[in-house]
Amino acid sequence: NAGVTQTPKFRVLKTGQSMTLLCAQDMNHEYMYWYRQDPGMGLRLIHYSVGEGTTAKGEVPDGYNVSRLKKQNFLLGLESAAPSQTSVYFCASGTREYQPQHFGDGTRLSIL
Amino acid sequence: KNEVEQSPQNLTAQEGEFITINCSYSVGISALHWLQQHPGGGIVSLFMLSSGKKKHGRLIATINIQEKHSSLHITASHPRDSAVYICAVRRNTGNQFYFGTGTSLTVIP
Repeated sequence: NAGVTQTPKFRVLKTGQSMTLLCAQDMNHEYMYWYRQDPGMGLRLIHYSVGEGTTAKGEVPDGYNVSRLKKQNFLLGLESAAPSQTSVYFCASGTREYQPQHFGDGTRLSIL
Repeated sequence: KNEVEQSPQNLTAQEGEFITINCSYSVGISALHWLQQHPGGGIVSLFMLSSGKKKHGRLIATINIQEKHSSLHITASHPRDSAVYICAVRRNTGNQFYFGTGTSLTVIP
């Protein structure tokens, strides 16, 4: 039972580098979400998708891009990483809009 | 301004104790969620509530819509219950889902 799988689990980047975080779900969920978790703050929504080929901005979208070319995958990209993007990133999926139900294990990203 | 407030922030209990974690929110909601985040980082959904009470094993979640308040209770606590418990709400107007900052629970053997 894979559920929601995030890769990689850890990554260290230098300022200005780019990278893509991959989220894959095997539950045929329409809705997928990317969140970031920072100390002392609740999870904040970066981008989300309501179905294959669709994406929308969340609360903190600046500096990130996303794509959902296949229903099961939701990619989060950082084009030019900044230290402020050091965080733990969570992907989630669900069957209802704005209600994440299943979460991945997180990706810990450090930007030096 | 935080739409979801949890208390306490940190809680230490002896094994076997009855534990209560509180969540208050300031907006009208259509659903409230309780989530568990283990030390390894993974997040698991425990309950989704829109009214009343739900029970799963030693966990009980209640919600009072009029008072905008929910509680998560753990009976006969065990060290494996040590985790961060997060309250989250889906607003009933607009497209927003708010998370609390979590309550860190440590249960000592």
